[in-house]
Amino acid sequence: GQQLNQSPQSMFIQEGEDVSMNCTSSSIFNTWLWYKQDPGEGPVLLIALYKAGELTSNGRLTAQFGITRKDSFLNISASIPSDVGIYFCAGPQSGGSNYKLTFGKGTLLTVNP
Amino acid sequence: DTAVSQTPKYLVTQMGNDKSIKCEQNLGHDTMYWYKQDSKKFLKIMFSYNNKELIINETVPNRFSPKSPDKAHLNLHINSLELGDSAVYFCASSQGQTKAFFGQGTRLTVV
Repeated sequence: GQQLNQSPQSMFIQEGEDVSMNCTSSSIFNTWLWYKQDPGEGPVLLIALYKAGELTSNGRLTAQFGITRKDSFLNISASIPSDVGIYFCAGPQSGGSNYKLTFGKGTLLTVNP
Repeated sequence: DTAVSQTPKYLVTQMGNDKSIKCEQNLGHDTMYWYKQDSKKFLKIMFSYNNKELIINETVPNRFSPKSPDKAHLNLHINSLELGDSAVYFCASSQGQTKAFFGQGTRLTVV
């Protein structure tokens, strides 16, 4: 099946810094999703992208759907301690009714106050 | 109200036991999933149901048997639990082939 390569694997930053992470695939995706997982919780959808080149913001978060449709980027500006968590990219794979989300391996973000 | 809720949140059991995890969604979605998250936090799909019908079974041992009594519920029954089954299991739902919403997870520990 398709694999999503997410980087970096982990990041340690100071509060107030900006953060960038990305996700790449060897295959084309028609949708890119970004999730955040807090400790002990389930993944929560942050941003959904549906068109190549699309740039979408959600507060301090901005995500972009790469032009090649094989990558996506998530930026967090002016990080705060509650940004700590694991960020996952995900892309749907479908063949007829055979629909599922494939996830990247996540980026663990630590923010030092 | 919780959109996707699963119970229990924690489950500790002995090897060889049989256990069930329940999941309910009140979003009116027609597709439900079970995902497994291992110790390295990798999320992998196990099953997908669309309108109560099994769509995806991702090479999961047949000790795992999902059951969907209606579109709002997808339960997971596990027979003869093994140490390697210890993980966090997430239920999720979506409307057709769109973004999925996840439950809080069930942390299963087999001792």
